[in-house]
Amino acid sequence: GAGVSQSPRYKVAKRGQDVALRCDPISGHVSLFWYQQALGQGPEFLTYFQNEAQLDKSGLPSDRFFAERPEGSVSTLKIQRTQQEDSAVYLCASSSLRWGTYEQYFGPGTRLTVT
Amino acid sequence: KQEVTQIPAALSVPEGENLVLNCSFTDSAIYNLQWFRQDPGKGLTSLLLIQSSQREQTSGRLNASLDKSSGRSTLYIAASQPGDSATYLCAVGGNKLVFGAGTILRVKS
Repeated sequence: GAGVSQSPRYKVAKRGQDVALRCDPISGHVSLFWYQQALGQGPEFLTYFQNEAQLDKSGLPSDRFFAERPEGSVSTLKIQRTQQEDSAVYLCASSSLRWGTYEQYFGPGTRLTVT
Repeated sequence: KQEVTQIPAALSVPEGENLVLNCSFTDSAIYNLQWFRQDPGKGLTSLLLIQSSQREQTSGRLNASLDKSSGRSTLYIAASQPGDSATYLCAVGGNKLVFGAGTILRVKS
């Protein structure tokens, strides 16, 4: 596709529900990133994939958060037993190593509201 | 731990004015620095990327500079327009970007 796409764009979940957020990266991009953006703040890193390998998950806030990219393309971020503090915009980005740079291209985000 | 600070937090200017946004970071061992624009309710649009070996990048009315030794970057916007109104974010890193909280820019017509 022309850019990074994410679905759903908006998700309302009741506290305790599980949610799954999807990211479709730019075709051919080997690297994929997830970030969490709280209201009025800059995005914070969650996790990073190179192809299907999850190379860094140091930013995942708890073991309720799980991300996967089984075929090295589409990725899913899953949040189990959602809590109110999980309410945020979840951004996905992809990049390709080109000329030694890691320029990241972002999707529109999924706004998660936990009630 | 890398920390990124952006000053000012908000800025309001009349149309046509030149302006400078500031970004500072605590760890100079960065791979690159990226400036983004974010419109309300939207994702991030990459404006400029400066590799660690570079000192500046230009795109149209935008110019970004990087001084690794002092841990600073500036984004210069020339002849500002109302359409430039948005939040501007600075991020440093390589695979893992560390972001500042952003500068909210409003250009008044």
